[in-house]
Amino acid sequence: AQSVTQPDIHITVSEGASLELRCNYSYGATPYLFWYVQSPGQGLQLLLKYFSGDTLVQGIKGFEAEFKRSQSSFNLRKPSVHWSDAAEYFCAVGPRGYQKVTFGTGTKLQVIP
Amino acid sequence: AAGVIQSPRHLIKEKRETATLKCYPIPRHDTVYWYQQGPGQDPQFLISFYEKMQSDKGSIPDRFSAQQFSDYHSELNMSSLELGDSALYFCASSPAEGAERAGANVLTFGAGSRLTVL
Repeated sequence: AQSVTQPDIHITVSEGASLELRCNYSYGATPYLFWYVQSPGQGLQLLLKYFSGDTLVQGIKGFEAEFKRSQSSFNLRKPSVHWSDAAEYFCAVGPRGYQKVTFGTGTKLQVIP
Repeated sequence: AAGVIQSPRHLIKEKRETATLKCYPIPRHDTVYWYQQGPGQDPQFLISFYEKMQSDKGSIPDRFSAQQFSDYHSELNMSSLELGDSALYFCASSPAEGAERAGANVLTFGAGSRLTVL
């Protein structure tokens, strides 16, 4: 069974500082990996995805993530955080095909001035 | 660009009542997924449909049922509502098999329907 672990429930960073959100997955084959962002009371917006190829993927809003097979990780990074990045971030894993994705428990990001 | 449309956005019901949520996928998306997100929780998969047939089933209670219609929209029916059913219900859609390179398996989510059971 596929699973996703996001070890950090809450993270607080200063505006302008760099950010790294951790994600580890468990899956029998090379999965599809995703990062979604959810602002309070809002839906889930796709930030970026990894299917294959280059292990460093670029997403929207200046985010990037690196797939590391040896560590079963897909950490999300941003070099300089903006106050508008405050939200909850979900890592998700899914197999090829028309099947569900499984979400991690989420990391809530707080940005302080 | 068209997005996934969910209605209603907010719904208040009392215990033991019935509720129906609707989802209109992105045009040419043939797969629909339903997720439930309780307060402070991650989204939990309920059920999915591909070409109007149920394709996968998750932690959906027996009191809930869903279907996908010929126009690909989907409805989630919830009966005998309980307080614990209060949650944000998301619908997502993904494109057809022929578009795999374009991003099949990439779920686009709607804004959600917030159900409150009193």
